[in-house]
Amino acid sequence: LAKTTQPISMDSYEGQEVNITCSHNNIATNDYITWYQQFPSQGPRFIIQGYKTKVTNEVASLFIPADRKSSTLSLPRVSLSDTAVYYCLVGGGRSNTGKLIFGQGTTLQVKP
Amino acid sequence: EPEVTQTPSHQVTQMGQEVILRCVPISNHLYFYWYRQILGQKVEFLVSFYNNEISEKSEIFDDQFSVERPDGSNFTLKIRSTKLEDSAMYFCASSEGPGGYGYTFGSGTRLTVV
Repeated sequence: LAKTTQPISMDSYEGQEVNITCSHNNIATNDYITWYQQFPSQGPRFIIQGYKTKVTNEVASLFIPADRKSSTLSLPRVSLSDTAVYYCLVGGGRSNTGKLIFGQGTTLQVKP
Repeated sequence: EPEVTQTPSHQVTQMGQEVILRCVPISNHLYFYWYRQILGQKVEFLVSFYNNEISEKSEIFDDQFSVERPDGSNFTLKIRSTKLEDSAMYFCASSEGPGGYGYTFGSGTRLTVV
């Protein structure tokens, strides 16, 4: 499974757009890129998944350049409740057992 | 929205005792998992389970650990003889397929070994 690198922490203010970038230089051809959110004392929650280009859902957007060696999670107009740890994971594919490898994630602190 | 349900939410046990952590995965999911998170550390994979057998396990998942799907709806993690270092949040998860989409975690069981 490809290793990922993302910032340890980020600060933002309510109403701002937040972009968290993750690098995954060794991504394999059949790997997907998935982002999870975790609040204290809760399980990780799936946010968004993509393979290439751009994916958008009601919560976030995911931008993936053509070389797929990085990805950017974009959270529009964050609120205090978006304060959480955000994890970028790379893997998947048909032969996968489903194991997810979490890094340290990015702790996002949203301030009023 | 379908949920993965875990019970109990908090369990305190004495060192050396056996504990069973219980999970009810989402009904149409076929892949089941256990993860743990020691306080202040990252989420760690323990085991994946598919078609009534373990498909992958980590180094953490030694002979003290076992998993079972006893009745087609529950998925359990047993720790045979707990150690202090087993204190952690244990998360159950399930997914339709192994690819990550729709992978859903439960809220966890906080295990405290004293």
